[in-house]
Amino acid sequence: GENVEQHPSTLSVQEGDSAVIKCTYSDSASNYFPWYKQELGKRPQLIIDIRSNVGEKKDQRIAVTLNKTAKHFSLHITETQPEDSAVYFCAASIGGSNYKLTFGKGTLLTVNP
Amino acid sequence: DVKVTQSSRYLVKRTGEKVFLECVQDMDHENMFWYRQDPGLGLRLIYFSYDVKMKEKGDIPEGYSVSREKKERFSLILESASTNQTSMYLCASSAGTGIDEQYFGPGTRLTVT
Repeated sequence: GENVEQHPSTLSVQEGDSAVIKCTYSDSASNYFPWYKQELGKRPQLIIDIRSNVGEKKDQRIAVTLNKTAKHFSLHITETQPEDSAVYFCAASIGGSNYKLTFGKGTLLTVNP
Repeated sequence: DVKVTQSSRYLVKRTGEKVFLECVQDMDHENMFWYRQDPGLGLRLIYFSYDVKMKEKGDIPEGYSVSREKKERFSLILESASTNQTSMYLCASSAGTGIDEQYFGPGTRLTVT
């Protein structure tokens, strides 16, 4: 089955710095790659996603890049703010499925003021 | 706004009890999912349903069953609760028009003693 590896597991940055979280996946048939943010005590919420026909997508301070050849994708957060502190999960669609996702283990991002 | 609700935020049960976790969504979504979230393990798919009365096993279905008698409601059943099922349980739904954003409920923290 699909395997998604996420690194690092924890990341601490100073406010204003950039943060990068990387994920690799195993199933070459995967074609949808969302990123979810989970603040402490709250539910995961989608922040950005990318599909396999696109190499990069940007939404204000966050961007996602996808390298299908190497089977990895990354989340980039620029000008980090304390409210960016949360656990971030990457996910990849399970090849051949229109519904299922496999999630990475998560990255705890702490932005220090 | 999509609303996904779960019947309880916190639940304490004894070993061997039968446990029902209920999830309701109000957006006429086709797909519904049950995940379990444990520290350091991310979100793991237990079961999902792509239509009323239709279900498929996820990655960790052992010890669980599900029921979807109505489109808006998806139940997770622990036939005989065990201590290793102590966890956070998250329900999610998605529209069903291909692979798409999953909307999560607030979660149920289940403790089995």
